[in-house]
Amino acid sequence: DADVTQTPRNRITKTGKRIMLECSQTKGHDRMYWYRQDPGLGLRLIYYSFDVKDINKGEISDGYSVSRQAQAKFSLSLESAIPNQTALYFCATSPGTGGRYEQYFGPGTRLTVT
Amino acid sequence: AQSVTQLDSHVSVSEGTPVLLRCNYSSSYSPSLFWYVQHPNKGLQLLLKYTSAATLVKGINGFEAEFKKSETSFHLTKPSAHMSDAAEYFCVVSDTNNDMRFGAGTRLTVKP
Repeated sequence: DADVTQTPRNRITKTGKRIMLECSQTKGHDRMYWYRQDPGLGLRLIYYSFDVKDINKGEISDGYSVSRQAQAKFSLSLESAIPNQTALYFCATSPGTGGRYEQYFGPGTRLTVT
Repeated sequence: AQSVTQLDSHVSVSEGTPVLLRCNYSSSYSPSLFWYVQHPNKGLQLLLKYTSAATLVKGINGFEAEFKKSETSFHLTKPSAHMSDAAEYFCVVSDTNNDMRFGAGTRLTVKP
């Protein structure tokens, strides 16, 4: 079984709808991250969490919110989806901070907002 | 602030020839640097990482990268490309808070 899972894998939604993307991990890591990937822009950080009580904004948090329900679960919500939020979304985990730790990525959720 | 520039958005090589994917970084600290690979419709997989130990880093699938502080570069190389290497490659710089900044990516095409 995959260590980092994301649901759904694909989602099409309409402008103005609320949508939640979910991430679960079995790696036992405290640190979890949400990124979006757009062609030609690489991955950009939306939110990150160092533990259940510690949630931080990334470089592009506007229009998004998150919830860390447990060590293993980190959800990303779009309160009112807009077309420019169409992107590939990745969840990641890390065993520690300090720069030298790599991040482990889920398979991604492809979101289309029409 | 830290940032990464991948100098080529697309690289095309023939199978069996060398691969060079170029990456320059900017960081106020002694950085950690990573290369990730993304195959079509897949997540990102770590190829290799530099964390202030040996400057020549060996990764999976025959890839390696050399950290050159004087040139602020971390180029990815492989002596002989294989068809399965066709993918998108991301260079990443990370600071002491594990704040990762990704390059825009380089798409590698391998011709038979």
